[in-house]
Amino acid sequence: KNEVEQSPQNLTAQEGEFITINCSYSVGISALHWLQQHPGGGIVSLFMLSSGKKKHGRLIATINIQEKHSSLHITASHPRDSAVYICAVLGNQFYFGTGTSLTVIP
Amino acid sequence: GAVVSQHPSWVICKSGTSVKIECRSLDFQATTMFWYRQFPKQSLMLMATSNEGSKATYEQGVEKDKFLINHASLTLSTLTVTSAHPEDSSFYICSARTLGQGAGGYTFGSGTRLTVV
Repeated sequence: KNEVEQSPQNLTAQEGEFITINCSYSVGISALHWLQQHPGGGIVSLFMLSSGKKKHGRLIATINIQEKHSSLHITASHPRDSAVYICAVLGNQFYFGTGTSLTVIP
Repeated sequence: GAVVSQHPSWVICKSGTSVKIECRSLDFQATTMFWYRQFPKQSLMLMATSNEGSKATYEQGVEKDKFLINHASLTLSTLTVTSAHPEDSSFYICSARTLGQGAGGYTFGSGTRLTVV
């Protein structure tokens, strides 16, 4: 069983749509990261959360510690948002989800 | 913000040769460096954790004599894949923990795509 489960695995959206990616985890954590991995492979850290909600531009991340669940929302999606989004939780080490591959079609 | 520079971004090598991958923290001191491997369509898997000046701690199933990790300074960690085999072809990425920044202080390198032919 994976410590971190993401859904959906693949997501295709029309430009402008509101997108939600979900992450559930089973271990005790001190923080949760949302990462973005582009086709070339490089990884960018989008958010680090330990509680509540954070917003950066069109991206919003929320976490519910009691339910061990986090969501990443993208408003007004754009083709440049196409990437793999990875949920990573920090317990005694980092545990990574398998990622959600997002394709935004113009 | 904190930046980790990883080189090379891609490399092709012949079976049996060794390949060195470098990760440098450009504007901060990295007390701990993590090395990950990612196979296609799979999640990142932690290979090893290194602390500056001490031996790396390897995850179960990772051969320490094959994947040599050196973290000789607070700004440089290297991963050397020795006697590379085609099954070592993968995406390797490092992550550095910044000094004193707790859970939020993790920065990833841009990754290295290794192809062994």
